[in-house]
Amino acid sequence: GAVVSQHPSRVICKSGTSVKIECRSLDFQATTMFWYRQFPKQSLMLMATSNEGSKATYEQGVEKDKFLINHASLTLSTLTVTSAHPEDSSFYICSAIKQGKVTEAFFGQGTRLTVV
Amino acid sequence: GENVEQHPSTLSVQEGDSAVIKCTYSDSASNYFPWYKQELGKRPQLIIDIRSNVGEKKDQRIAVTLNKTAKHFSLHITETQPEDSAVYFCAASTRQAGTALIFGKGTTLSVSS
Repeated sequence: GAVVSQHPSRVICKSGTSVKIECRSLDFQATTMFWYRQFPKQSLMLMATSNEGSKATYEQGVEKDKFLINHASLTLSTLTVTSAHPEDSSFYICSAIKQGKVTEAFFGQGTRLTVV
Repeated sequence: GENVEQHPSTLSVQEGDSAVIKCTYSDSASNYFPWYKQELGKRPQLIIDIRSNVGEKKDQRIAVTLNKTAKHFSLHITETQPEDSAVYFCAASTRQAGTALIFGKGTTLSVSS
């Protein structure tokens, strides 16, 4: 299957700082990637759709100025959590769609963000 | 937009028993329904999926059924084993380019030996 790599896997940052999370499709091109957030014992909640070469589309209730998404190439999307606060602590996970005979979503390993 | 409901939230079975998890969706345009297994701190793993032109699909001990008219689909695990213990998520999408998967709230399955 296709590989989606996400880094870092874990990050601890101080309140008020910014954190960048990278999502790469290693062996296929992804014009669209998705960012999800998962709080403990909860489901994956879609935050935004990242489109290569254009602005991301954010879900209702997700602050676009706080969660900056950049999809500068067909293999890389980044999520920057700006001015992080403890309530932003969560598991962030990206997904990329591989188009083909069988279309399937592939997930990154996830990033455990802890804001202290 | 799409809304996916999943039940039950927790399910405890004895090893060897069957487990059934049910989901309903709201968007009649949805045509792709995957099921994921997620272990703590790990990424979701696709275990089986079904497309709307198929009513049932089976892969060894796992099967999925789809009722498009009623807009619900179910995961069936037979002969459960302790290693089946995990959180299971259903999802739905229109499977068009640029369309995200919308997930149910998850079911924590515990299989005791």
